[in-house]
Amino acid sequence: ELKVEQNPLFLSMQEGKNYTIYCNYSTTSDRLYWYRQDPGKSLESLFVLLSNGAVKQEGRLMASLDTKARLSTLHITAAVHDLSATYFCAGGYNTDKLIFGTGTRLQVFP
Amino acid sequence: KAGVTQTPRYLIKTRGQQVTLSCSPISGHRSVSWYQQTPGQGLQFLFEYFSETQRNKGNFPGRFSGRQFSNSRSEMNVSTLELGDSALYLCASSLGSRSQGNFGPGTRLTVT
Repeated sequence: ELKVEQNPLFLSMQEGKNYTIYCNYSTTSDRLYWYRQDPGKSLESLFVLLSNGAVKQEGRLMASLDTKARLSTLHITAAVHDLSATYFCAGGYNTDKLIFGTGTRLQVFP
Repeated sequence: KAGVTQTPRYLIKTRGQQVTLSCSPISGHRSVSWYQQTPGQGLQFLFEYFSETQRNKGNFPGRFSGRQFSNSRSEMNVSTLELGDSALYLCASSLGSRSQGNFGPGTRLTVT
């Protein structure tokens, strides 16, 4: 069965710095999602990646997918405080069932 | 277009009681999935429904059940509540697999 691992679990970043969150998955996944969750809130969809080499960018966030390595990354460029949240990756295969990673809690400080 | 709605938003129940949570998907979406989120276990898949048929079920005891109606609205039921059932229950709707899942605001269930 599909397993999804994220690292790091916790990330404390200074504003203006760059960093990457990694998401590894164990078996075939035909899509990879990234979500953001603010404390006490629901999940906000950020990106869906469907094919090998897919890259999507929105503002300071860029997500990519390497299906051969079973790896997706979420790159943060020049972090700002507003990006502080928990980020989840999730994979699935053939149905709408999603398997989520453990989440990365990102804290951006001045 | 209205988003996914979930009712109620907050619920406090006592051990042994049962509870029913409701999810209304985005108009036109026929797929509804449910997830449980707890600090200890993270986000775990409960059920997936498509056109009133359960397509997948997660590893939860039989106390957890669900259904989907002809208008795609879905309900989940938890019987004989336990303290460990306290969680945020999220539902998501989509047009189908490989499409973007849209999550509702969640129902926060507290079992005392």
